Amino acid sequence: ETGVTQTPRHLVMGMTNKKSLKCEQHLGHNAMYWYKQSAKKPLELMFVYNFKEQTENNSVPSRFSPECPNSSHLFLHLHTLQPEDSALYLCASSPGTSGAGEQYFGPGTRLTVT
Amino acid sequence: KQEVTQIPAALSVPEGENLVLNCSFTDSAIYNLQWFRQDPGKGLTSLLLIQSSQREQTSGRLNASLDKSSGRSTLYIAASQPGDSATYLCAVEDSSYKLIFGSGTRLLVRP
Repeated sequence: ETGVTQTPRHLVMGMTNKKSLKCEQHLGHNAMYWYKQSAKKPLELMFVYNFKEQTENNSVPSRFSPECPNSSHLFLHLHTLQPEDSALYLCASSPGTSGAGEQYFGPGTRLTVT
Repeated sequence: KQEVTQIPAALSVPEGENLVLNCSFTDSAIYNLQWFRQDPGKGLTSLLLIQSSQREQTSGRLNASLDKSSGRSTLYIAASQPGDSATYLCAVEDSSYKLIFGSGTRLLVRP
């Protein structure tokens, strides 16, 4: 596979569930990102990882917990979510984080919290 | 705080028309500006990236311009086709290397 892949593509979970989103990039990039896209709002950056180290947490609630075991894989662990957390969660990667580089996006996970 | 605005929010045109999508940003201290395409329920596809030192980039029927001093970019689509129907997103990479996105322009090209 090439590019950025995300699984699952769709997820429905209750507010008391625990689930994880997975992202994998096959581009040899060093930086990975989680974004949230809610209806009628611009994409919001959630987390940035560079060489497996978290470099940005954009004031995200602790019910979202990222994990980056290596430069190719990124997870978003979810627990006790709220209905307003329903959104499209997009993963992206780039060669580095220091500007001048394109970000490549995965297809997203459509999350519905019931 | 960097803010990105896209006008119009939605656009419907007949096939074959040339069209322009607009993007404005409030802080001219950017590293680059990217235009993306997003199909319904899908991820983003990068169309064009303009470095802050550049004025424009072209790819096929697409041409993007950047006027950093005035905080504006335009995406020009020539000879539009129904397959161009999608949401077009503009994003700037700000001084802290973060991508700040606009809300997008939903384009419908009617056959």
